[in-house]
Amino acid sequence: DAGITQSPRHKVTETGTPVTLRCHQTENHRYMYWYRQDPGHGLRLIHYSYGVKDTDKGEVSDGYSVSRSKTEDFLLTLESATSSQTSVYFCASSGVPNTEAFFGQGTRLTVV
Amino acid sequence: AQRVTQPEKLLSVFKGAPVELKCNYSYSGSPELFWYVQYSRQRLQLLLRHISRESIKGFTADLNKGETSFHLKKPFAQEEDSAMYYCALKSFLNTGNQFYFGTGTSLTVIP
Repeated sequence: DAGITQSPRHKVTETGTPVTLRCHQTENHRYMYWYRQDPGHGLRLIHYSYGVKDTDKGEVSDGYSVSRSKTEDFLLTLESATSSQTSVYFCASSGVPNTEAFFGQGTRLTVV
Repeated sequence: AQRVTQPEKLLSVFKGAPVELKCNYSYSGSPELFWYVQYSRQRLQLLLRHISRESIKGFTADLNKGETSFHLKKPFAQEEDSAMYYCALKSFLNTGNQFYFGTGTSLTVIP
């Protein structure tokens, strides 16, 4: 496995509180992604990054923001968590010459 | 628009039986397709990619551009194949690459 780690692995938070999830990769991959995984929806892209400080929205970006200040770190922030954001969040990265996406272990977030 | 469709949410087969997990895609360019597997509560792992034309754990998948399909097949299912399977399409954009995933098929192999 590529060196991709997510933290925390589990988190329970209250509605309305800010939450930041961290993704760290040691592969010097250019591209990084945040997905959420929900039953019946598969994986849906939240945001992605194509370089340091270069990010763009995915299909379900409302309520989420991201930042990438270093190649190895990609942060996902829920500004004000809602119960609909209860999900499993996966980070992924890809780069040259590998063509596939490598995934982190996932973060299980519960908003109560 | 890019889209990946996996029509079966659940699939059950008996051990030793053949298995086929369906994947259809829509993409205007030349697609690059993958199959990922996720064992219980683990990270997604690449199973195979169409450009490699390889067989991993007995699984194969052939890209059929005419039918826009990339079905995953295995002639004899094993209990350890029970997992969630995702078909994915890689899209090439000006800003880089994006991966689109289907909704997944949960495979259960019955002993």
